[in-house]
Amino acid sequence: DVKVTQSSRYLVKRTGEKVFLECVQDMDHENMFWYRQDPGLGLRLIYFSYDVKMKEKGDIPEGYSVSREKKERFSLILESASTNQTSMYLCASSFHPAGGRGNQPQHFGDGTRLSIL
Amino acid sequence: RKEVEQDPGPFNVPEGATVAFNCTYSNSASQSFFWYRQDCRKEPKLLMSVYSSGNEDGRFTAQLNRASQYISLLIRDSKLSDSATYLCVAFKAAGNKLTFGGGTRVLVKP
Repeated sequence: DVKVTQSSRYLVKRTGEKVFLECVQDMDHENMFWYRQDPGLGLRLIYFSYDVKMKEKGDIPEGYSVSREKKERFSLILESASTNQTSMYLCASSFHPAGGRGNQPQHFGDGTRLSIL
Repeated sequence: RKEVEQDPGPFNVPEGATVAFNCTYSNSASQSFFWYRQDCRKEPKLLMSVYSSGNEDGRFTAQLNRASQYISLLIRDSKLSDSATYLCVAFKAAGNKLTFGGGTRVLVKP
C-alpha cells in the first residue's frame, strides 16, 4: 500500500509566521501535489512537482512556495501566513509512467488542518 | 461554469437500495476519470479508475458517456459504511491536469 505521510494532523500558527508543511511518500512516486480543501470550494491545486527540484504552479499558488530536494519529500511553505490560509491541506503522490506524465490515480496523505490566528 | 460539476446532495439512501449519481465535465479533452470517496474530516481515497467506457468493482459501477460528457457512479445494495462524499476527478492530458469536482454526499440510513 502507498503511504503518504504528512508531518502534522493539526497545526496552529500566527499571522505573519513562516509555516512549513512536510509530506513524505514511500512508493518512489515521481509526482507529488499539494492541495487545499475548503467547504464549498472542493480541492484546489496549489503546486505540484514531477521530479526532484521541479515545481509547477497549480490553480492557486499565490502566497505559497514549495521545495522538492529529495524524491520522497515535498514541502509546502507559507511565506507569511494569513488568516485566509486557514484550511485543510492535502498532499498526494502518483506514479509517472515512462513516456508520459500519466493519468495515474493520486494517493493522499491524512491531511493537515492548519489554523492561522 | 465549473470544469467538473457534481450534485452536492445529500442523497439519502435506504440501506440495501441502489443509488446513482452523475458527474458532468465541460472539457471534451478529458481523457480519464477517477472516483474517490472521502469520509468526514479524512483524506480522499481512490475508489475506482475509469480509462475507457466504464469500470465495475463489486457493488460499485462507473459508466462514462463521452457523447454527453458525464460519468456516473452506481452503488448497489447500499451499506451504512457507504455513507461518504464521492469525488469525481477528470484528467486532461494537455497540461497534465487533474480537476476535482465538489463532491456528492451520500447518506445511507437503516
